[in-house]
Amino acid sequence: EPEVTQTPSHQVTQMGQEVILRCVPISNHLYFYWYRQILGQKVEFLVSFYNNEISEKSEIFDDQFSVERPDGSNFTLKIRSTKLEDSAMYFCASSEQPRRMNTEAFFGQGTRLTVV
Amino acid sequence: KNEVEQSPQNLTAQEGEFITINCSYSVGISALHWLQQHPGGGIVSLFMLSSGKKKHGRLIATINIQEKHSSLHITASHPRDSAVYICAAAHSGGGADGLTFGKGTHLIIQP
Repeated sequence: EPEVTQTPSHQVTQMGQEVILRCVPISNHLYFYWYRQILGQKVEFLVSFYNNEISEKSEIFDDQFSVERPDGSNFTLKIRSTKLEDSAMYFCASSEQPRRMNTEAFFGQGTRLTVV
Repeated sequence: KNEVEQSPQNLTAQEGEFITINCSYSVGISALHWLQQHPGGGIVSLFMLSSGKKKHGRLIATINIQEKHSSLHITASHPRDSAVYICAAAHSGGGADGLTFGKGTHLIIQP
């Protein structure tokens, strides 16, 4: 069964460092998403991406965040200068159609980011 | 802004019991997702529904659009069903790609 793959599964980084979280969406999907879940809190939408550009972003997704699809398979989330409050589980998701078309969501296993 | 509320927050039951988890939302949606999150953190999609009822094995999901309410039922619950169950709403308005998540229901099924 096709799946969304995320690497690494766990990353520890020092405050102020840049991190790149990687995702390989399902191959025929065109819409990509990043979500985060701070420990003990609910999952929150960060950004959606389609046709090589951001289609929507939340208030959380400030200038410290960026997304990129550097090649035909990877979808990355970069945090330029990490803060302690960036510590969270980050989920990548992909779908065939945009969310408003009632399409099923496929999530990766998540990357647990710990900023120390 | 759509708010998604789940109840109960925590639920402990005995193996074999019938489980119901509730979800309500505040504004119109195009679809409601039920997701399962295991202790390791990964999220698995269980159902996506916009009307009526869906069944998969021992899991049943229902939605009442008029009442803005959905339920997830587990029949003949088993310890392996222990997980966090999350409902998430897809907005029906334009320009809203992201899902809005509830806080989740932490379910423990004891043998």
